[in-house]
Amino acid sequence: GENVEQHPSTLSVQEGDSAVIKCTYSDSASNYFPWYKQELGKGPQLIIDIRSNVGEKKDQRIAVTLNKTAKHFSLHITETQPEDSAVYFCAASFESGGGADGLTFGKGTHLIIQP
Amino acid sequence: EPEVTQTPSHQVTQMGQEVILRCVPISNHLYFYWYRQILGQKVEFLVSFYNNEISEKSEIFDDQFSVERPDGSNFTLKIRSTKLEDSAMYFCASSLLAGGPMDTGELFFGEGSRLTVL
Repeated sequence: GENVEQHPSTLSVQEGDSAVIKCTYSDSASNYFPWYKQELGKGPQLIIDIRSNVGEKKDQRIAVTLNKTAKHFSLHITETQPEDSAVYFCAASFESGGGADGLTFGKGTHLIIQP
Repeated sequence: EPEVTQTPSHQVTQMGQEVILRCVPISNHLYFYWYRQILGQKVEFLVSFYNNEISEKSEIFDDQFSVERPDGSNFTLKIRSTKLEDSAMYFCASSLLAGGPMDTGELFFGEGSRLTVL
């Protein structure tokens, strides 16, 4: 089955700096890679996702890159703000016309934005 | 390594029956969650629980669902009257209270309980 590794487990950056979170996956059939943000005590929320037909996707301060050959994908947050502090986790799955096999999540990264 | 444990691993029930899914979070964790994953679909958040009350719940978590922490170790999800569409894998998760020097805020998931409603 799919195995997703995520690093680092904790990341502390100064406000205004960039943050990068990296994930690797094992199943080359995976073609869908979402990122979730979870604030304390709340449910995870999808913040960005990417599919294997593109190598990069950007949404304002957030971007995700995907390297299918190396089987890794990364989340980039620029100009970090205090409200970016949260736990982020990546996931991977295979999507076909009939739906996804199911997300395999990474273990999560606690991002701390230092004022 | 500490882990979140869930029982049963698989439960088959008749539509309309009550089901209780059980979870033992990691002992020093303070936040508890239930997610579900319908076969072929994404993981969906159901509810979070802290300090003996619900912190947040999704629109999926209607009046048929309830959660309880009956003692210091168990965290349960009850489905009062199961429907066919409740068939899914239900994941429990827990985390430490984020912010402490030793707390990564990492979410620890159990292996899931597969519920099949016939």
